[in-house]
Amino acid sequence: RKEVEQDPGPFNVPEGATVAFNCTYSNSASQSFFWYRQDCRKEPKLLMSVYSSGNEDGRFTAQLNRASQYISLLIRDSKLSDSATYLCVVTLNTGFQKLVFGTGTRLLVSP
Amino acid sequence: DGGITQSPKYLFRKEGQNVTLSCEQNLNHDAMYWYRQDPGQGLRLIYYSQIVNDFQKGDIAEGYSVSREKKESFPLTVTSAQKNPTAFYLCASSIALSGANVLTFGAGSRLTVL
Repeated sequence: RKEVEQDPGPFNVPEGATVAFNCTYSNSASQSFFWYRQDCRKEPKLLMSVYSSGNEDGRFTAQLNRASQYISLLIRDSKLSDSATYLCVVTLNTGFQKLVFGTGTRLLVSP
Repeated sequence: DGGITQSPKYLFRKEGQNVTLSCEQNLNHDAMYWYRQDPGQGLRLIYYSQIVNDFQKGDIAEGYSVSREKKESFPLTVTSAQKNPTAFYLCASSIALSGANVLTFGAGSRLTVL
């Protein structure tokens, strides 16, 4: 089983739609959680950290469910510029805070 | 502006050749990392360094070597022993290895073996 699993997509949605991605992780000792965004052939960039109580940043909402070991990202009012691959990332304490990356979920927002 | 600079952006190599990818940061970060990204796979850790003159193997270090002679620089050499070197290589840095540190990535180097 992969340490971090994501549906690769693509998710095709029209502008203005609400879309949600889930991510599951296998190690219950995972300590920190993030969503990164990666544009085609570019480097990943931090979108947001994910906190136990859930957190929101504009149109983006992240949730963490430790009991079920999954993380979610909700995007409201999708924009064309949201088209990208969204990487779920968890940290494991293996002597240092090692980041483990999911393979990503691709989102395509169309006019 | 602070950031990470990787070079070259694109690199072509013949089989049997070693190549070195450059990574320089001016963020004053202590920790630096090298990742490899292949289609359909998550980023995989090659090497990491917490401090000058110290570095550790990641999950896929075979066929790679690094050095950390300066805080700002963490070059990666892809040796001829690496069986499948064609990939997108990403250098990253963070303030430190400990804690929930956010990674800042360079723009990447795309290596193709001919």
